[in-house]
Formats: sequence, C-alpha cells, structure tokens
Amino acid sequence: GAVVSQHPSRVICKSGTSVKIECRSLDFQATTMFWYRQFPKQSLMLMATSNEGSKATYEQGVEKDKFLINHASLTLSTLTVTSAHPEDSSFYICSAIQGAGGETQYFGPGTRLLVL
Amino acid sequence: GQQLNQSPQSMFIQEGEDVSMNCTSSSIFNTWLWYKQEPGEGPVLLIALYKAGELTSNGRLTAQFGITRKDSFLNISASIPSDVGIYFCAGQAAGANSKLTFGKGITLSVRP
Repeated sequence: GAVVSQHPSRVICKSGTSVKIECRSLDFQATTMFWYRQFPKQSLMLMATSNEGSKATYEQGVEKDKFLINHASLTLSTLTVTSAHPEDSSFYICSAIQGAGGETQYFGPGTRLLVL
Repeated sequence: GQQLNQSPQSMFIQEGEDVSMNCTSSSIFNTWLWYKQEPGEGPVLLIALYKAGELTSNGRLTAQFGITRKDSFLNISASIPSDVGIYFCAGQAAGANSKLTFGKGITLSVRP
C-alpha cells in the first residue's frame, strides 16, 4: 500500500520559535496532500489542502500566515508553525492522495508538537 | 458544516465477541471510509466503500455503505486484543475535492 512518512515524529520547542514538519509520499506521487490537527481524545480536523505547485487552501478559522504550507514537489509538503505558542501544541497529521483524481487518503504517522 | 455521528464514544467487549459500529450523517456522502488509529500514530485505512449498498470485507472486518448514502457500519468479528484502538468513520461528499469529514471516533477496548 501507499506509504506516507512525517518528520520529525515529535518536537519540543520554546514559545515564539518556528517549527517545520515534513510530509513525504514514499512510493507514489501525490498532487494533493492534506494537513490535519488532532487534539487529545478528539477527531481529526482538517487545516488545509496542499496542492503541488500552487497555494494551499485553508479551512475556515485556520490562519494561513501562522501555518505556512509549501508543496514544492510531488512527494513533499511542509507545514511550518510560525511563532508557536503553547496552544499550538497538538498532533499534526498529513495525508496524501495517490495520483490525480484519486480518492483514498493515506495518512502519515503524525508529528507530536509540544510548545513550552 | 457536515458532521458524522459516531456513538457511543467508548465500547468495551470481551475477546472473541463481535462488535458493530455505526456512523450516520445528515447529508449524503459518495464515499465512506473506516480508519483505525492507535495511540501516537496516524489513522490506518481499514475499508473503503464507493457505492451505495456495497458490502466489503477485510479479514475479520466487514463494512457496508448504507442505501441512503447517509450511513455506514463496521463489524469486527471474533475480536482479539490487538483490535484495541480508535475507529473513525469518514465521508467524502461529491465535489468536495477529496476532502474528508471525520466522525468523532469510537474507542474500542477488548478484555482478554
């Protein structure tokens, strides 16, 4: 099956710093990737849709200047949490769709962010 | 926005028992998916359903896409301890650009 990786798996940072999370599709090309955030004991909430070669589409209430998304290649999307604050602490998960027009999302293993 | 309803929030069963989970929606979805998530991991796709009425199996798992396209169920037969985890249903609506709407998940505990 399709494999999606994320790096790092967990990160601890000081308040005010920026953190970059990478999402890679390892054995397929992904024109579309998605970024989710999951708080403890809650469901996945979609933050944005990342399209290769174009600007990301953000969900309502998600600050695009705070959560910078870059999808520079067909196998890599990055999420940068800028000026992170403790309330940004969460589990960030990406997913990728295999091929153009594909329907099944394959999820990465997630990145645990803790902002002190 | 669209929401998927999953309840109860938690289920506790004995090893060997069968369990059924339901997912309902107030609106129609074209695709239903069931994922399992273990602590500290991303969701793993269990079963994908693409047609109303479709019944699909994956080992001990069976899922059905409701005729009305507003519901789906997942059955786990002969449960084992490694079935423990959070089970999410997700729906994809027409014209949604592949975006998924997730249910709140059901945490399954299996007593040995």
